[in-house]
Amino acid sequence: KAGVTQTPRYLIKTRGQQVTLSCSPISGHRSVSWYQQTPGQGLQFLFEYFSETQRNKGNFPGRFSGRQFSNSRSEMNVSTLELGDSALYLCASSLGQGGDIQYFGAGTRLSVL
Amino acid sequence: EDQVTQSPEALRLQEGESSSLNCSYTVSGLRGLFWYRQDPGKGPEFLFTLYSAGEEKEKERLKATLTKKESFLHITAPKPEDSATYLCAGPTTSGTYKYIFGTGTRLKVLA
Repeated sequence: KAGVTQTPRYLIKTRGQQVTLSCSPISGHRSVSWYQQTPGQGLQFLFEYFSETQRNKGNFPGRFSGRQFSNSRSEMNVSTLELGDSALYLCASSLGQGGDIQYFGAGTRLSVL
Repeated sequence: EDQVTQSPEALRLQEGESSSLNCSYTVSGLRGLFWYRQDPGKGPEFLFTLYSAGEEKEKERLKATLTKKESFLHITAPKPEDSATYLCAGPTTSGTYKYIFGTGTRLKVLA
């Protein structure tokens, strides 16, 4: 069974640009969550999607947005990139929502110059 | 405020030297305590879920335990391949549902 796939693995952008990251969950999983991981802050919750609806959102500015498609694949968008957005962005999928085990992808390493 | 705190931040052990990692939490409506392992350049990998105080789970050289306020990950006779960052997390159901992760313990096991 294929795991969670995130593309691309690495990205380099400059300040002010926007970026879109993609996540394909494990087949049959309907929930996708996104996290930002930095050395100082650890994993910070961005948002969760379940059946194409955003169920929950973390404490991030509106520049961070996402969506989920009918096949459960999800995309995350960051507009007007700032230097502080440099991080590892992780996607996790689970069968349902509410305490299910989350399975993580390898992440997308974003560097903002 | 919901919070998950892990200690120590970093730990160096000799091969075979047993030790424990701590995860203390103040999470409202906690629905389980999760442990993950993360290797460099990879996403976290699920290890254990504990749901009630007194519960214990084992996997190879790892054993996770849970009390009302904290969880321990005991590593018995570790090997170099156990070197990784160990994360604990508590999903909440109060207000906006989300997982609260600790910042992790970086474990290095020396041969």
